[in-house]
Amino acid sequence: DAGVIQSPRHEVTEMGQEVTLRCKPISGHNSLFWYRQTMMRGLELLIYFNNNVPIDDSGMPEDRFSAKMPNASFSTLKIQPSEPRDSAVYFCASSLGGSGRARYFGAGTRLSVL
Amino acid sequence: AQSVTQLGSHVSVSEGALVLLRCNYSSSVPPYLFWYVQYPNQGLQLLLKYTSAATLVKGINGFEAEFKKSETSFHLTKPSAHMSDAAEYFCAVSDSNDYKLSFGAGTTVTVRA
Repeated sequence: DAGVIQSPRHEVTEMGQEVTLRCKPISGHNSLFWYRQTMMRGLELLIYFNNNVPIDDSGMPEDRFSAKMPNASFSTLKIQPSEPRDSAVYFCASSLGGSGRARYFGAGTRLSVL
Repeated sequence: AQSVTQLGSHVSVSEGALVLLRCNYSSSVPPYLFWYVQYPNQGLQLLLKYTSAATLVKGINGFEAEFKKSETSFHLTKPSAHMSDAAEYFCAVSDSNDYKLSFGAGTTVTVRA
């Protein structure tokens, strides 16, 4: 299996621009997670999908962030408008089931907002 | 709610020496425990997981971890460090009733030649 695939790997944008991050989970996995990693806050769960349905979006920082999962093989995380404080590494992870299952991470998208 | 504490944010070992990374957890129900490794500019890779089948868990790259309920610990060890073990290591805990995976702050391992 190819693992969790994220694109782009790096994104540099200017403040105010829209940013879209993409994720393809491992085939057959029914749970998908978006995380953000920063030096100050470590790994933060942003949103959790189960069977393509958002279950918990309490970690989404504010209304500028939105996530969708239109089908079992694709998810997006959008930031509009972007701000410098959004600069971080964003990870997508998938698992077979949510509770107690190992989570498999993509390589991440390093976002820099200037 | 579960939580994890990793003791020591940085560990430096000599090549060939024992690697010991400490992790203590708190959980109100029997936990599932994981160790992940993150190499520079990469995602988190699963090293091993404890799911109550055996207290001593063997993982990839020669690592193993022992679950000690009485000490609420899940320390990670490797008998002989290799230069390629230089990375950041994360302990994580979840329980059977909760999809949330709580991560420790991470321990960065440096291997000296």
